Amino acid sequence: NAGVTQTPKFRVLKTGQSMTLLCAQDMNHEYMYWYRQDPGMGLRLIHYSVGEGTTAKGEVPDGYNVSRLKKQNFLLGLESAAPSQTSVYFCASSRTGSSPQHFGDGTRLSIL
Amino acid sequence: AQKITQTQPGMFVQEKEAVTLDCTYDTSDPSYGLFWYKQPSSGEMIFLIYQGSYDQQNATEGRYSLNFQKARKSANLVISASQLGDSAMYFCAMREANTGNQFYFGTGTSLTVIP
Repeated sequence: NAGVTQTPKFRVLKTGQSMTLLCAQDMNHEYMYWYRQDPGMGLRLIHYSVGEGTTAKGEVPDGYNVSRLKKQNFLLGLESAAPSQTSVYFCASSRTGSSPQHFGDGTRLSIL
Repeated sequence: AQKITQTQPGMFVQEKEAVTLDCTYDTSDPSYGLFWYKQPSSGEMIFLIYQGSYDQQNATEGRYSLNFQKARKSANLVISASQLGDSAMYFCAMREANTGNQFYFGTGTSLTVIP
């Protein structure tokens, strides 16, 4: 009963390093999303995908890239990490755009 | 302007009492959806209830109901018979259908249920 799995759960980076966060879902959902959650600001949409091979920008896309080469996976990349990207990152998926989103457990990322 | 506004940073409710968590939204899109999520201290996000902009009746899911007032652009969550396990952060969210499925979350309300 995996649902949405995020890898890794924790990571510490130095400024300027790059990394990729992996999101995998086993529900055959079309839609996938990446959010960041900062204290006092709720969740903000970074990028999303409405199907395999598609991606689109959300509210705060700068500094991030995404890819959806396979339907079940949605990758979030940070090319050159900055301290402002310290946050908790959530991946989510949904069957349609109006369906409830199923969330992963989050990735806590700290950038020094 | 904020797309989703939750004006109550923190709320307290006595166990077994009902509580209303406020949410107002701002959109010019005629087709939109409103969601409520719960985030316990463990951090996971749990879907509670959904209301579509064209739905005629207020949504209900067990002890959760959504008081949808379209003209006032409000979508308040009502939790009846509060339980200790309801203590958590609650987020209101909106999806705008005609702007490419953008999702917006509010800043959340922290609910504490008092025994």
